[in-house]
Amino acid sequence: DTAVSQTPKYLVTQMGNDKSIKCEQNLGHDTMYWYKQDSKKFLKIMFSYNNKELIINETVPNRFSPKSPDKAHLNLHINSLELGDSAVYFCASSPISPGEQFFGPGTRLTVL
Amino acid sequence: SQELEQSPQSLIVQEGKNLTINCTSSKTLYGLYWYKQKYGEGLIFLMMLQKGGEEKSHEKITAKLDEKKQQSSLHITASQPSHAGIYLCGADETSGSRLTFGEGTQLTVNP
Repeated sequence: DTAVSQTPKYLVTQMGNDKSIKCEQNLGHDTMYWYKQDSKKFLKIMFSYNNKELIINETVPNRFSPKSPDKAHLNLHINSLELGDSAVYFCASSPISPGEQFFGPGTRLTVL
Repeated sequence: SQELEQSPQSLIVQEGKNLTINCTSSKTLYGLYWYKQKYGEGLIFLMMLQKGGEEKSHEKITAKLDEKKQQSSLHITASQPSHAGIYLCGADETSGSRLTFGEGTQLTVNP
């Protein structure tokens, strides 16, 4: 059973489009995260939710909007995609914040 | 915010050799996490260190935390090709709500 799953695994789209990435965890964790890993493999936190409430919102463009319908899901919607948004996006969850985090397999986003 | 510097940035070793990866923080370390990432995959948790002088081992991987030096080291004994990947250290910020990650060390183990 997959602990933290993300869909899609790959996403190729044109500049200006709007896209969503979904994340689900079946570990019963209260805290979920979105990270962005750039081409240099640098991993940086974007958002963190605890029990559906936003607790961390890094300096991320307003085009990025996370949504947590319940504590097992944290989706990421991106409006007006730009070339610089190309990266691998990782979802993670942890039982406590920050704690040991369990990562999803990542979504490789390519903006053309 | 906390900054973590990892060294070396990349490492190529022959199978069977020992190696060490270092992670140095710009601030006091309250918790230090080591993760491993294989190409195209997510991060896998290796170890968490919280107390100064703490040392933990998992199979052939040992990690130590030196609070005074604000540094942690990851040591692999008798490396194998299966150890290859990117090793990232993550630090617990004082707010306790996030991890800041280093830039990673790319390890290649040649058979």
